[in-house]
Amino acid sequence: DAKTTQPPSMDCAEGRAANLPCNHSTISGNEYVYWYRQIHSQGPQYIIHGLKNNETNEMASLIITEDRKSSTLILPHATLRDTAVYYCIVRADAGNMLTFGGGTRLMVKP
Amino acid sequence: DVKVTQSSRYLVKRTGEKVFLECVQDMDHENMFWYRQDPGLGLRLIYFSYDVKMKEKGDIPEGYSVSREKKERFSLILESASTNQTSMYLCASSSPGGLDTIYFGEGSWLTVV
Repeated sequence: DAKTTQPPSMDCAEGRAANLPCNHSTISGNEYVYWYRQIHSQGPQYIIHGLKNNETNEMASLIITEDRKSSTLILPHATLRDTAVYYCIVRADAGNMLTFGGGTRLMVKP
Repeated sequence: DVKVTQSSRYLVKRTGEKVFLECVQDMDHENMFWYRQDPGLGLRLIYFSYDVKMKEKGDIPEGYSVSREKKERFSLILESASTNQTSMYLCASSSPGGLDTIYFGEGSWLTVV
């Protein structure tokens, strides 16, 4: 699976949009982009995934660039409960493994 | 709501003890996984199972074994616990193939003293 690069930490004001970038320049055609988050002392929680089209669900939006080399996870109105480590993962459709990198520690501040 | 339940949230065991970590999922998933998570090392796969009584080694199987006697239950066994096995253990499950989402349990914090 391709490697991802994320900033180690970010801050966001409560109520504002949080935009979390991810670089996956070596992504191949059959690899999807997945986002998980992990709130302190809990198991990782699935957020969203996509291949090349932008995706939106009740938790977040995922914007993938046309060349698929990078993506951005958007939390439209961040709350204090969104404080967590966010992991961007690329995963081939033939595989079932998840390889977690370092992630981005998002701190939402009042 | 999907559910992966780990039997113990916090455990303290002595060196040399046999430790069982139990995991149950209610989604009829074929695949189940055990990871451990340590600061600075991320999540590392210990073992996974893609069917009842089947198991495959992950990246760090040494010192661990697993048991999958029923589809919904996947147990991680530390035959003789050591202090370097102090960690957070995460169980997960998914359906086979495709891109079905992998769901995680809440984690089990194991301290070996």
